[in-house]
Amino acid sequence: DAGVIQSPRHEVTEMGQEVTLRCKPISGHDYLFWYRQTMMRGLELLIYFNNNVPIDDSGMPEDRFSAKMPNASFSTLKIQPSEPRDSAVYFCASSKTGGSPLHFGNGTRLTVT
Amino acid sequence: LAKTTQPISMDSYEGQEVNITCSHNNIATNDYITWYQQFPSQGPRFIIQGYKTKVTNEVASLFIPADRKSSTLSLPRVSLSDTAVYYCLVGNQGGKLIFGQGTELSVKP
Repeated sequence: DAGVIQSPRHEVTEMGQEVTLRCKPISGHDYLFWYRQTMMRGLELLIYFNNNVPIDDSGMPEDRFSAKMPNASFSTLKIQPSEPRDSAVYFCASSKTGGSPLHFGNGTRLTVT
Repeated sequence: LAKTTQPISMDSYEGQEVNITCSHNNIATNDYITWYQQFPSQGPRFIIQGYKTKVTNEVASLFIPADRKSSTLSLPRVSLSDTAVYYCLVGNQGGKLIFGQGTELSVKP
């Protein structure tokens, strides 16, 4: 299995632009998670899905952030408009069940100038 | 959700056994305990998971006392490549998993 695949690996954009991060979970995994990591705040859970349905989005910073999971093999995290404080590494993870270990992707390093 | 508390950092030398303890005083009956390892520029990687007593795999051991209010990750004979951040998480079948600040382990030659 290829593991969780995220794209792009790096994204540099200007403030105000729309950013879309993509994630392909491991096949057969029912849960998908989006995390954000910064030096100041550590690893923050933004949102997670079960069987493509968002379960908890209380970690989404504000309305500028949105996440979708149109099918079991694809999810997006969109930021519109982006701001410099959104600069971080964004990780996608998947798990087979709610209690099984998370498998993380390599992350997308986002820089907003 | 049960909050976890770990030491911010630890130092060790190659070949030593390292024990990292995590406190989770308000762990719920149906919560399990999971440890992850993270290297720079990579996502966290699963190490070990347990519910009670002791669990051992090829990488580490996890010790959980009867009251389950803490857990200890034991890394036998660490090497330089074990230098990483280690996270303790407490969660249940509901899926929501919150990472704490982690323990930055530095292994020296």
